[in-house]
Amino acid sequence: SQQGEEDPQALSIQEGENATMNCSYKTSINNLQWYRQNSGRGLVHLILIRSNEREKHSGRLRVTLDTSKKSSSLLITASRAADTASYFCATEGGNDMRFGAGTRLTVKP
Amino acid sequence: GAVVSQHPSRVICKSGTSVKIECRSLDFQATTMFWYRQFPKQSLMLMATSNEGSKATYEQGVEKDKFLINHASLTLSTLTVTSAHPEDSSFYICSARQPTGYGYTFGSGTRLTVV
Repeated sequence: SQQGEEDPQALSIQEGENATMNCSYKTSINNLQWYRQNSGRGLVHLILIRSNEREKHSGRLRVTLDTSKKSSSLLITASRAADTASYFCATEGGNDMRFGAGTRLTVKP
Repeated sequence: GAVVSQHPSRVICKSGTSVKIECRSLDFQATTMFWYRQFPKQSLMLMATSNEGSKATYEQGVEKDKFLINHASLTLSTLTVTSAHPEDSSFYICSARQPTGYGYTFGSGTRLTVV
């Protein structure tokens, strides 16, 4: 079963704009990760945030985690057409990893 | 870094036949591996947890007699889709927990098409 929900399900923006995706989960976690997937391909690991962290940055990516609300957000700044992909959050808790429903991001040139 | 190799990347098989997918950890030992299935435009669904030397743990709704998992060594887990049907056509991805204890390494996935 999936861990939680992501919103929006689909997001379309212009190149240069920022993209924000949200993820909610249901159970206690050790960490939360964000992955990117181009159509029909494997997963690319973007960033991991541990349960005791609140915010993390990596290049144009900014991730926040609110364990009290069981939610996380991924911000991609200054988006590029090459950022077009599906983005998934995944929570690691206990002995496995489960994925959210994903957000399909389209960045128009 | 930790690398997981998954083969084949694509396979087409006839309905009623069986297909085996391999997942290997190349430079680390993985006592636990995971198998996911992804239908078009959907998320990854955990199918089962593969434990080295013991039986796999299947998620609710996943038929263990149809999706046979073998984890005979610390570097290899296999998923066999038995008596495949067109509805089994999907993208299958394996993963292994990284030796550091944080994060998972994913294979590149297998696109299965049953005709």
